[in-house]
Amino acid sequence: EAGVTQSPTHLIKTRGQQVTLRCSPISGHTSVYWYQQALGLGLQFLLWYDEGEERNRGNFPPRFSGRQFPNYSSELNVNALELEDSALYLCASSWVGQGGDYGYTFGSGTRLTVV
Amino acid sequence: GENVEQHPSTLSVQEGDSAVIKCTYSDSASNYFPWYKQELGKGPQLIIDIRSNVGEKKDQRIAVTLNKTAKHFSLHITETQPEDSAVYFCAARGFQKLVFGTGTRLLVSP
Repeated sequence: EAGVTQSPTHLIKTRGQQVTLRCSPISGHTSVYWYQQALGLGLQFLLWYDEGEERNRGNFPPRFSGRQFPNYSSELNVNALELEDSALYLCASSWVGQGGDYGYTFGSGTRLTVV
Repeated sequence: GENVEQHPSTLSVQEGDSAVIKCTYSDSASNYFPWYKQELGKGPQLIIDIRSNVGEKKDQRIAVTLNKTAKHFSLHITETQPEDSAVYFCAARGFQKLVFGTGTRLLVSP
């Protein structure tokens, strides 16, 4: 079974540009979560999508947005990039069953560098 | 909202010793508590989890305990090996999202 796949693995962008990151969940998983992990820091919750709808977002400005497609894959878009957006962006997927989330699994992440 | 505190931030042990990492959470409604291991350049990998209807769970050298009354949960690694060296994160599922602790860097010396 394929795990959560993210693309690209690395990306370098210039301040002010826009970027799109992609995530394919594990087959059968309907929920996708995005997290930001700045160097040496913990994981900060960005967005949660389930069944194509945005269910929750973290404390990030509106220039961070995304969507989930009918096949449950997801995109994270960041507009007007700032230097502090440099981080590892992680996607996780899960399926929701009786009692809560199951199989909460992370991909390997996209390393974004803003120069 | 949910808040998770994790201690210690760094932990150095000798190979064969035990390691214990502790977390506390704030939301009494949280019902799912996973632990992740993150190696350099990789995404976090789920190593063990526990739900609020269980007090302890063990998988080979790894065990997790949960005290719902005190809102504490802990990761125990026995007979540590150099390949256990990594950053470990605890998490608690609060309202509609998983909230992570700040991580513990575990170093196992041969």
